[in-house]
Amino acid sequence: NAGVTQTPKFRILKIGQSMTLQCTQDMNHNYMYWYRQDPGMGLKLIYYSVGAGITDKGEVPNGYNVSRSTTEDFPLRLELAAPSQTSVYFCASSYSSLNSGNTIYFGEGSWLTVV
Amino acid sequence: DQQVKQNSPSLSVQEGRISILNCDYTNSMFDYFLWYKKYPAEGPTFLISISSIKDKNEDGRFTVFLNKSAKHLSLHIVPSQPGDSAVYFCAASGNYGGATNKLIFGTGTLLAVQP
Repeated sequence: NAGVTQTPKFRILKIGQSMTLQCTQDMNHNYMYWYRQDPGMGLKLIYYSVGAGITDKGEVPNGYNVSRSTTEDFPLRLELAAPSQTSVYFCASSYSSLNSGNTIYFGEGSWLTVV
Repeated sequence: DQQVKQNSPSLSVQEGRISILNCDYTNSMFDYFLWYKKYPAEGPTFLISISSIKDKNEDGRFTVFLNKSAKHLSLHIVPSQPGDSAVYFCAASGNYGGATNKLIFGTGTLLAVQP
């Protein structure tokens, strides 16, 4: 039972490089999310998607792009990496909206360092 | 602005005693609250939730209390066990303007249960 799978687990990027964090879920969830967690801080929502072909900005979308071509996959793209993007990134999914009775399920995280 | 606040960065309790983790929120539109537990190098995992129509929800050793008038919730763990040592995040969502699709997280409280 894989749940939410993120790759890579660790990555070091140079300033200005680009990369994509991959995320896939096998729970047939409609909603998917990308969060980042900085040291000593809570998780901040970057982007989310309520279904294939639909994406929307969260709290901290600048410097990132996403796409949702299938229900299972929700990749996060960093176009021009900056040191401020050094963080731990979590992909998550939920069956539907986050009202009573629902919750979101997280992947194990991707540690990204920009130098 | 931090809409969900966990003012205690850390808490240390003895095994067998009660752990009480607190969370305050500022947005009166929040109507669904969740607690997540996070071990190092892992993604957060769902622990317990409560809807705003309730003031208490219990699941085994874990109980969440909600005081809507004070915009305050707390997580009680009793008895505490060493395996409960982790970071605990409070999160909230609301049924307004698409906010049911988003969880707003607090900054977390590191719980250490001493044997």
